[in-house]
Amino acid sequence: KAGVTQTPRYLIKTRGQQVTLSCSPISGHRSVSWYQQTPGQGLQFLFEYFSETQRNKGNFPGRFSGRQFSNSRSEMNVSTLELGDSALYLCASSLLQSSYEQYFGPGTRLTVT
Amino acid sequence: KQEVTQIPAALSVPEGENLVLNCSFTDSAIYNLQWFRQDPGKGLTSLLLIQSSQREQTSGRLNASLDKSSGRSTLYIAASQPGDSATYLCAVKTSYDKVIFGPGTSLSVIP
Repeated sequence: KAGVTQTPRYLIKTRGQQVTLSCSPISGHRSVSWYQQTPGQGLQFLFEYFSETQRNKGNFPGRFSGRQFSNSRSEMNVSTLELGDSALYLCASSLLQSSYEQYFGPGTRLTVT
Repeated sequence: KQEVTQIPAALSVPEGENLVLNCSFTDSAIYNLQWFRQDPGKGLTSLLLIQSSQREQTSGRLNASLDKSSGRSTLYIAASQPGDSATYLCAVKTSYDKVIFGPGTSLSVIP
């Protein structure tokens, strides 16, 4: 069974631009969560989607948004990029809601210059 | 507000030693606790998931325990190997449906 895939793996953007990251969960998994990982703040929860609905949201500004499609694939969008948005963005999928075991993708490394 | 801490922040041991990593959380109202390992620049690999009703889980050389009342979990690694070198993270699923990660313990196993 294929694991969680994330595209692109690496991305370099300029301040003020916007970016869209993609996550394909394990086949059959319906919950997708997004996390931001930085050296200073560690791993922080962004949001969780289940059956195309956002179930939960972390403490991030409205520039961070996401959505989930009917095939459970999810996208995360960051608008008006800031230098502090440079991070590893990780996506995790679970069978149902995130009380089940989470499986992580390899991440997208975003660098904002 | 749930806070998760991990002690020690870093650990270096000779190959073959048994070791214990600690995870503490402030709010005992959790659904589950999950242990992960992360290799440099990579995603997270799930090691063990303990539901709130369970006391421990085992997988190979790994054993994780959970004591909700004291807000603690431990990850025991038996007969450590150089391939165990990684950062180990614990994460709690809170009763309000959010996942909170600890800062991690960086483990180095010396051959």
